[in-house]
Amino acid sequence: DTAVSQTPKYLVTQMGNDKSIKCEQNLGHDTMYWYKQDSKKFLKIMFSYNNKELIINETVPNRFSPKSPDKAHLNLHINSLELGDSAVYFCASSSSDRYNEQFFGPGTRLTVL
Amino acid sequence: AQSVTQPDIHITVSEGASLELRCNYSYGATPYLFWYVQSPGQGLQLLLKYFSGDTLVQGIKGFEAEFKRSQSSFNLRKPSVHWSDAAEYFCAVVPNTGGFKTIFGAGTRLFVKA
Repeated sequence: DTAVSQTPKYLVTQMGNDKSIKCEQNLGHDTMYWYKQDSKKFLKIMFSYNNKELIINETVPNRFSPKSPDKAHLNLHINSLELGDSAVYFCASSSSDRYNEQFFGPGTRLTVL
Repeated sequence: AQSVTQPDIHITVSEGASLELRCNYSYGATPYLFWYVQSPGQGLQLLLKYFSGDTLVQGIKGFEAEFKRSQSSFNLRKPSVHWSDAAEYFCAVVPNTGGFKTIFGAGTRLFVKA
């Protein structure tokens, strides 16, 4: 059984388009995250939800909008895509009573042309 | 400012040789400490963690790490590296004052030569 899954795995799109990435976890965790990993492998937190409430909202352009319909799902919608948005986006989840030990999805490689 | 430093961008070791990856953190108090591994094209996987107690912790795949409070370090070691260990390794900390933010180091890329 996949613990943290993301769709799609690859996403190639034109500048200016709007796209969404979906994430689901079946671990029963109460906290979910979106990270962006650039070409140098640097991992940057973007957002985090705990029990469907936004608790971390880093300095991210407001073209990025997360949504958590329930504790098991966290989606990321990106408007007006730009070249600099090209990266790998990782979803992760954790249990707040387990010291933030995180479980990561396989990543979504976004390429903006 | 709170930070995590992995001084080595990349390291190359021969298969069968020992390995040590360095990690230093800057926090007021001892945070929770983690090492994650990322194989090419994959997500991150937890190798091991330290919360309290014994300062030498064992992880998966034969890895261990030692927490040294005096040096604010949490170095990762493996006595004999296998070719399949070639990957990116990330040290990470979570402040033990509560909150959900994990700070990741910049990563160390491990190359293994035959």
